Amino acid sequence: EVQLVQSGAEVKKPGESLKISCKGSGNGFGNYWINWVRQTSGKGLEWMGRIDPSDFYTNYSPSFQGHVTFSVDKSMNTAYLQWSSLKASDSAIYYCASSPTAAYGMDVWGLGTTVTVSS
Amino acid sequence: DIQMTQSPSSVSASVGDRVTIACRASQGISSWLAWYQQKPGKAPTLLINVASTLQSGVPSRFSGSGSGTDFTLTISNLQPEDFATYYCQQANSFPVTFGQGTRLEIK
Repeated sequence: EVQLVQSGAEVKKPGESLKISCKGSGNGFGNYWINWVRQTSGKGLEWMGRIDPSDFYTNYSPSFQGHVTFSVDKSMNTAYLQWSSLKASDSAIYYCASSPTAAYGMDVWGLGTTVTVSS
Repeated sequence: DIQMTQSPSSVSASVGDRVTIACRASQGISSWLAWYQQKPGKAPTLLINVASTLQSGVPSRFSGSGSGTDFTLTISNLQPEDFATYYCQQANSFPVTFGQGTRLEIK
């Protein structure tokens, strides 16, 4: 079973860029979709989209399309979530989570990366 | 987008009680529904997949049922470690959507 290790907390200013990571360990990293899920302070879960590490195919939620970019480095077993220009409203916890297919639940989660955007 | 509505938003119960949480989809999603548990400061964990399949390692006091638009998560014989927030999530249609969560509190 894959385990997901996420990069550490980040503090950024509005307008700055950011790339956070999610490293898979164990077997089969390329056999799972990697989903990204946002959780704002005290709020629920929002699915941002997913990437298939085997062929880099991506699905972006319309709510996040154009504002974030997913990528994968297969040689490093690592998925990335990046912003080119952060907003204060991007302050949240970001989780990566794997699912064996697009129609299945997310069975392995990272611990989350806290992103704080403040001037 | 498919809207997922959970009820109640919060519930108080005692150790040993049985609790049922409902999740309704705004349109049919077959059985493509998952349930998650999240404790404060922790990542969610998958409890139930495809509406009723218990994930490995999840206690049998958790059960899920339903198909189409109406689903339930039942927790029997509540244990202290079960007090948490529970989310449903549909995986039938793009984009994936979550319910707003149900907070299970100790009475």
